[in-house]
Amino acid sequence: DSGVTQTPKHLITATGQRVTLRCSPRSGDLSVYWYQQSLDQGLQFLIQYYNGEERAKGNILERFSAQQFPDLHSELNLSSLELGDSALYFCASSPEGVPGKLFFGSGTQLSVL
Amino acid sequence: GENVEQHPSTLSVQEGDSAVIKCTYSDSASNYFPWYKQELGKRPQLIIDIRSNVGEKKDQRIAVTLNKTAKHFSLHITETQPEDSAVYFCAASTGETGANNLFFGTGTRLTVIP
Repeated sequence: DSGVTQTPKHLITATGQRVTLRCSPRSGDLSVYWYQQSLDQGLQFLIQYYNGEERAKGNILERFSAQQFPDLHSELNLSSLELGDSALYFCASSPEGVPGKLFFGSGTQLSVL
Repeated sequence: GENVEQHPSTLSVQEGDSAVIKCTYSDSASNYFPWYKQELGKRPQLIIDIRSNVGEKKDQRIAVTLNKTAKHFSLHITETQPEDSAVYFCAASTGETGANNLFFGTGTRLTVIP
């Protein structure tokens, strides 16, 4: 167990819908990262938050947004869903002083039908 | 920005043989190089890491080497076992707290044939 909690584990929805993925980082970690992994693909960086503030954006679509709350949990909102958004979405957190050392959650498998 | 290249994309070895995965990076400011292992359907997990002030690090059957001059680093797995079968990702980081600075390679799918 990495200490990073993601919910839900699975999500099935229809095109055009909106979903919210939730992540709680490890106790004490201020940084939260979101990654998208399509079938047999690598880890595509979406966005990073640090102590409530957005710090970096990757290949995140305008239909996607995220935020980190005062208690440090984070939510990734995906709207106007398309078939191509079906993927495994990972959240990760990193400890202070070692920002490249990521602890991943178990992921949310999103299926858009 | 940083560019991390990883080779090969797939690798098959016989059980008991060694496996080597190589990565190169472009940003000389990178100073932390972690390796992640992702088993099928599971989360990526850190298996070993190395900092730029160290040339080699070992942990049982796995080792990582770093050549700062050439900007490349490698993962070595000896005496491979079927449970080593997974996708391995290398990464490079500049170590700046609070800013995204972790760049992943594209992954290597390792298959260990019993």
